[in-house]
Amino acid sequence: EAGVTQFPSHSVIEKGQTVTLRCDPISGHDNLYWYRRVMGKEIKFLLHFVKESKQDESGMPNNRFLAERTGGTYSTLKVQPAELEDSGVYFCASSQVSGLPRTEAFFGQGTRLTVV
Amino acid sequence: DQQVKQNSPSLSVQEGRISILNCDYTNSMFDYFLWYKKYPAEGPTFLISISSIKDKNEDGRFTVFLNKSAKHLSLHIVPSQPGDSAVYFCAASALSGGSQGNLIFGKGTKLSVKP
Repeated sequence: EAGVTQFPSHSVIEKGQTVTLRCDPISGHDNLYWYRRVMGKEIKFLLHFVKESKQDESGMPNNRFLAERTGGTYSTLKVQPAELEDSGVYFCASSQVSGLPRTEAFFGQGTRLTVV
Repeated sequence: DQQVKQNSPSLSVQEGRISILNCDYTNSMFDYFLWYKKYPAEGPTFLISISSIKDKNEDGRFTVFLNKSAKHLSLHIVPSQPGDSAVYFCAASALSGGSQGNLIFGKGTKLSVKP
């Protein structure tokens, strides 16, 4: 069974440009999460999809970030325009069910975004 | 304000000995706790979890202990092996408030197991 896949693995862009990150969750997982880790800090929650609906986007830093999940399958996270402080590693995770029983989230390998 | 704290950024242990990684939390609504292991250039890998209704969960060499009154949990690895060298993240979640289990992470502890 394929795990969570993220693309690209690494992106270097200039300040002001646009970047789109993609996440393919594990097949059949309704829950999809985006997280971000800025250098040396904790992994922070950005948002949560249940199928195609945004369940919680309280962690999104500002309106330069736009996440979508077309048809409840893969998800994209677009940053437009990118700023220097957006640099970090963006992780996607998916899990099977919400509520009980609790299940762990499986993470992708991350996309390292560098804004210069 | 950090809700999940891992106060030791690093830990070095001799192979075969016990590794103890600690984690403290402040939010009493957390009801599910997890440990993830992360190697460089990889995503976090789930290791072990514990529900707040339990005080211990064991899986092979890994045991997680939860002390709710102290809002403290720990991960014990015994015996430690060089392949255990990685960054360990403590994470917590709460079902209440519509969060649906979003994870709150600590900053991680880098474990080095020396042969």
